[in-house]
Amino acid sequence: DTGVSQNPRHKITKRGQNVTFRCDPISEHNRLYWYRQTLGQGPEFLTYFQNEAQLEKSRLLSDRFSAERPKGSFSTLEIQRTEQGDSAMYLCASSLEVRSQETQYFGPGTRLLVL
Amino acid sequence: AQTVTQSQPEMSVQEAETVTLSCTYDTSENNYYLFWYKQPPSRQMILVIRQEAYKQQNATENRFSVNFQKAAKSFSLKISDSQLGDTAMYFCAFMKPRAGNNRKLIWGLGTSLAVNP
Repeated sequence: DTGVSQNPRHKITKRGQNVTFRCDPISEHNRLYWYRQTLGQGPEFLTYFQNEAQLEKSRLLSDRFSAERPKGSFSTLEIQRTEQGDSAMYLCASSLEVRSQETQYFGPGTRLLVL
Repeated sequence: AQTVTQSQPEMSVQEAETVTLSCTYDTSENNYYLFWYKQPPSRQMILVIRQEAYKQQNATENRFSVNFQKAAKSFSLKISDSQLGDTAMYFCAFMKPRAGNNRKLIWGLGTSLAVNP
């Protein structure tokens, strides 16, 4: 088990471009979360999946953001028409729900800079 | 809505000494989980310790222990025998464990801990 992985680790893009991030969870984990973390802040919840179903999206997630988790395995987070305010660290976490108990394990994050 | 407050933006400690990081939270729930995560510079978020609210016994993990005061809604982290590798941002986080529901973590702003040689 290699833990949660995220790619790319860093992304620099120009305003208006689209970007896509990937998260590979721990293999048996059925839940996957996306968070966003800006400098000096704690992470903020964006969205989560149970298996392949996206069950909740934060109000932070505008229509420019979309996430998928086909077949309940890896997940992608796409940002269309990026804005400078999208610059942040995007964190992915996975967990296994066992008898209502759950601990989230995080990937290294993707740091996005929008110029 | 739940909130998590970490009132110490920065702290420092000498190597081998003990340091305590504070965390308070606000909730009307009776059953929940609390976590401490550490985030070393330019590295990923790592789970330090976890506490279930229904357990009276304070959680411990090697040099890390918590002081969980449910009535006071306080959840402090004690690091004993501090090591240089403990230098990191430490986040306190809260989770409502409702079956089948979103169990998003609600985070404090973090405490930046520097361990000095």
